[in-house]
Amino acid sequence: QVQLVQSGAEVKEPGASVKLSCKTSGYTFTYYALHWVRQAPGQSLEWMGWINAGNGDTKYSQKFQGRVTFTRDTSASTVYMELTSLRSEDTAVYYCSRAVLNWSGFDPWGQGTLVTVSS
Amino acid sequence: EIVLTQSPATLSLSPGERATLSCRASQSVSSYLAWYQQKPGQAPRLLIYDASNRATGIPARFSGSGSGTDFTLTISSLEPEDFAVYYCQQRTNWPPGFTFGPGTKVDIK
Repeated sequence: QVQLVQSGAEVKEPGASVKLSCKTSGYTFTYYALHWVRQAPGQSLEWMGWINAGNGDTKYSQKFQGRVTFTRDTSASTVYMELTSLRSEDTAVYYCSRAVLNWSGFDPWGQGTLVTVSS
Repeated sequence: EIVLTQSPATLSLSPGERATLSCRASQSVSSYLAWYQQKPGQAPRLLIYDASNRATGIPARFSGSGSGTDFTLTISSLEPEDFAVYYCQQRTNWPPGFTFGPGTKVDIK
């Protein structure tokens, strides 16, 4: 079955960077795009962008443009999300999720990674 | 940017009752509207895509309708496991961008 397994929780100081991973299995990695979505405590979901795992093309939400980078390692069927210049407002659970064909939805989702930004 | 509004914010119902959740877009999104369910401590789960298509494994009591700017998720008869938060999500045309609504919490009356 399709699985997305994310890296473990991180604690970072303001101004630092964080790089999260999302390892996929159960399907052909290069056939799908993967999204990153975050959820601050008690808040709604916030889409950050996607990466085409086949050709590496990316699209970032304007809110994160310049501060976020998605990459992928096709040999490891893994995508990465790096967020720089962290601030307290970046404290959230970060999810990766596979794009449904035709971009109609996000399914399935990883288990999420909690990133805490605190001095 | 297209803004999604969900109503009500909270819906208090009993098991067996019908739930009707609304999602309104600030401009037309055609049928590019999906619904997700999220339980505490869990990742969201896709329920409905393209406004009215159930995702794989989703029970028939979940249905979606609408197009343009007004959409509805209906749960015909609430089961105990359906009490959760529900989010709608839209996408724009190529290259696709996405936004989520603020959510509707369905809790036990």
